[in-house]
Amino acid sequence: DVKVTQSSRYLVKRTGEKVFLECVQDMDHENMFWYRQDPGLGLRLIYFSYDVKMKEKGDIPEGYSVSREKKERFSLILESASTNQTSMYLCASGDTGELFFGEGSRLTVL
Amino acid sequence: GEDVEQSLFLSVREGDSSVINCTYTDSSSTYLYWYKQEPGAGLQLLTYIFSNMDMKQDQRLTVLLNKKDKHLSLRIADTQTGDSAIYFCAEVYNNNDMRFGAGTRLTVKP
Repeated sequence: DVKVTQSSRYLVKRTGEKVFLECVQDMDHENMFWYRQDPGLGLRLIYFSYDVKMKEKGDIPEGYSVSREKKERFSLILESASTNQTSMYLCASGDTGELFFGEGSRLTVL
Repeated sequence: GEDVEQSLFLSVREGDSSVINCTYTDSSSTYLYWYKQEPGAGLQLLTYIFSNMDMKQDQRLTVLLNKKDKHLSLRIADTQTGDSAIYFCAEVYNNNDMRFGAGTRLTVKP
C-alpha cells in the first residue's frame, strides 16, 4: 500500500519559533510537493522538488524553506513562525496530476 | 481570471444525485482531475479526464467536460453518507503545473 507519511498531525508553536515539518514517501517518486490548505482558498503550492537536493518555489514560498537530502524525504521549514502561517500543511509525491497526499499537519502559531 | 472556481458547499439527501461544478482557466489543459478529501485525511485522486473526451463514467461517478466553456462537472449517483467530503477540481497547465480549486464541501443528509 503506497504511503506518504507526515511526521506530525498537530503542532502548536509560538511566534518566532522554528518549525520543521517532515514528509516521507515509499513510492520512489522523483517529485515531492508541499501545499498549504486554507478554507476558501484551496491548496496553494509552497515548494516542490523534482530530485534530491533540488527545489523550486511554488506560488507562496515567502516565509518557508525546504530540504531534500534523500529521495524519500522532503522537509518544510518555517525559520520564524508567524500567526499567518497557521494552516493545514499537506505533503504530496508523484507526477503532476496524479499525486499521493499525506494526511496533513495542522499547525497553529500562537 | 487565474482561479479554478468551485462552489464551496453542496448539500444533498442520501440516494439523490450530487453534481459538483468547476470552471477552470487554461483551455490548453490536457488533463483535469477530481480529488476527494475525507475528514481528517489528505486528498485522494478520485478520477480524471483527458481533454479530448467529453465524458467519463466510472461506476457511480460521471465526469463531464465542456471545453468550450472550460467547465468540468462531477456527478455522483445514489449519493451515500460516505460520500461526504471535500471535492477538489484541478487542472494541469503549462504541461507541468497544477492548479487546484478551493474545494466543494459535500454534505449528505440521511
